[in-house]
Amino acid sequence: QSALTQPASVSGSPGQSITISCTGTSSDVGGYNYVSWYQQHPGKAPKLMIYDVSNRPSGVSNRFSGSKSGNTASLTISGLQADDEADYYCNSYTSSWTYVFGTGTKVTVL
Amino acid sequence: QVQLVESGGDVVQPGRSLRLSCAASGFTFSSYAMHWVRQAPGKGLEWVAVILYDGINKYHADPVKGRFTISRDNSKNTLYLQMNSLRVEDTGVYYCAREREWFDPWGQGTLVTVSS
Repeated sequence: QSALTQPASVSGSPGQSITISCTGTSSDVGGYNYVSWYQQHPGKAPKLMIYDVSNRPSGVSNRFSGSKSGNTASLTISGLQADDEADYYCNSYTSSWTYVFGTGTKVTVL
Repeated sequence: QVQLVESGGDVVQPGRSLRLSCAASGFTFSSYAMHWVRQAPGKGLEWVAVILYDGINKYHADPVKGRFTISRDNSKNTLYLQMNSLRVEDTGVYYCAREREWFDPWGQGTLVTVSS
């Protein structure tokens, strides 16, 4: 199972919006609405930010939003803040209870 | 509160074995599928294995198939990962995570270093 494709890095200034893409195939991202996104600060465990393509868990800022079109999912962070600087990973269900992660995107706040 | 705590990470030589544990609390452990995810130093997340709530059905990623075995003891609220024939490329932080078509929560991770 190949990793989902994400840009290696995305940057933006405070207050701006950025979008991270996550491209898979019809066997994963395109085939199921089980795409989730995780934020990981250095030395910390990943934290769930979006589940089922576009749902936010309780406690996650509404500045984070998710969407999907075909085989590509996207995470948008609006009103970029310094604490948003982290690595972000997408994840998708594939089949038979198995999952695949994206390659990861480093977000830099300029 | 819902919590997962991994343990068992260590420094081992290639070819040796190690067993990781993940103690769960704050939720009905036996009702959830559980996963292991790993992260090599400076690299991304890699899904390793899943075990369904009943402990019968389990699936492993191709890189670890035949060497690693996921298991669980619902009476002890504990998830395990038996790792045999360890390789240098198995080095990394191993996380356990609860599944609901997404992973939440995650444990803090336990470091496995395979080196001669």
